[in-house]
Order: sequence, then C-alpha cells, then structure tokens
Amino acid sequence: QSVLTQPPSASGTPGQRVTISCFGSSSNIGSNTVNWYQQLPGTAPKLLIYNDNQRPSGVPDRFSGSKSGTSASLAISGLQSEDEADYYCAAWDDSLNGWVFGGGTKLTVL
Amino acid sequence: EVQLLESGGDLVQPGGSLRLSCAASGFSLSSYAVSWVRQAPGKGLEWVSTFSGSGGSTYYADSVKGRFAISTDHSKNTLYLQMNSLRAEDTAVYYCAKGTVAAAALGWFDPWGQGTLVTVSS
Repeated sequence: QSVLTQPPSASGTPGQRVTISCFGSSSNIGSNTVNWYQQLPGTAPKLLIYNDNQRPSGVPDRFSGSKSGTSASLAISGLQSEDEADYYCAAWDDSLNGWVFGGGTKLTVL
Repeated sequence: EVQLLESGGDLVQPGGSLRLSCAASGFSLSSYAVSWVRQAPGKGLEWVSTFSGSGGSTYYADSVKGRFAISTDHSKNTLYLQMNSLRAEDTAVYYCAKGTVAAAALGWFDPWGQGTLVTVSS
C-alpha cells in the first residue's frame, strides 16, 4: 500500500484532456512540494513536473501540475498516443523522513 | 552532460549479499543528494535510500533499514548500495537518481540511471 494514493488507471482518446490525482497527508503533500515522473514502457522514469507545477525544459506545455492542501493533480491536455505511460507522484514525508511515491497510474490512449 | 550508470545487479540467494554501484559523471556527488529507487517486476516505484550531498547524512526506507547501507566514494564519484540479508521481496530493478540540491528532503530526482536488476531466488 503506497503512502500517496493514485488511481491505478486512466484513459482518454487523442485530443482529450485527462487528469490524474494524487492524495496524501499533512506530513507529505501538505507540507512539501510534489513531483511527477513519467515512465514510458521499458524505460527509466523521467521527471515530468517539479515543485508542484513547474515543467522542465523539453516537457510540452500540454502537461501541467497543481496542488491544493493534501492532494495534487497532473493534467494532460491534447492527449497523444506517445503519452501512453505510467505516471507517478512523489513527495518528501516529514514523518517517515524519506521520499514517498504514489502507486502509479497507467495511462491508456484509446 | 549529467549521467548515472548503475551496475552490480545479479541473481543472489535469499540471505545473501550484493553491492550495487552507480557511477556519476557531469557533476560531483559531494554537492548533491543521490538516491536509490527500486521497482519490483510489474510494480510501482519504491524509494530505498538517499545520501545527502552535504555532511553525508543517510536515509532509509523502513523496508531496508538495518539491511542496506548507502555510501559514496568521492574519489571515484560513485554511489554504492550494500545489500545484506536479501529477501525475495527485494527482487527489483534498482535505479539511482540525482537530486537537485545537497539536502535529501528537497528538490526532485533528475536524471535517473537506466537501472540494474537484482533477483533474489534460490
């Protein structure tokens, strides 16, 4: 059971907008920033969003992050087939004194 | 260019030991936190351990505390993970990932290495 809670799956058709939620608590998301990682099939994870809502250079502006209280969300607009991947949220947990990840959300582009 | 290259993954029997290495290039391990994150077959990401860049503080997940030890060799700019008393549930691909600041609790993981597979089985 992961400390951060994500839906196991999400789906959408090309061009649609999808959102992936990440629920935590006051010791992690509620007091620290959230990062999102994208893992394409058979590859290592890659940073997608940092500091709740910042995009690294090279990440399309179709990807956006937000946070409110103890939950965070990743939104993908203009869905493309190459967005099919696993997405993970992560944050530092002050109580556990370590990093915690969500269980991951498998995004399928129909 | 910042790069991380893991090695040392292997098939090991339960109760055995293994040492993983992560060779860093393009930055100094003494200036950044570096972490190990693992992924069991078909499962999600699990943080394992972090070595902070300043002062060398170490942090461990409860699942590995007392069995695993993280360390660095600054002369080789290499991160290590000594894994003892290995269990079947430690079977995973182990990734090393660079932090963005020296403090373990801040920043994010970027980039990640390609991973090395550890299989614990008799």
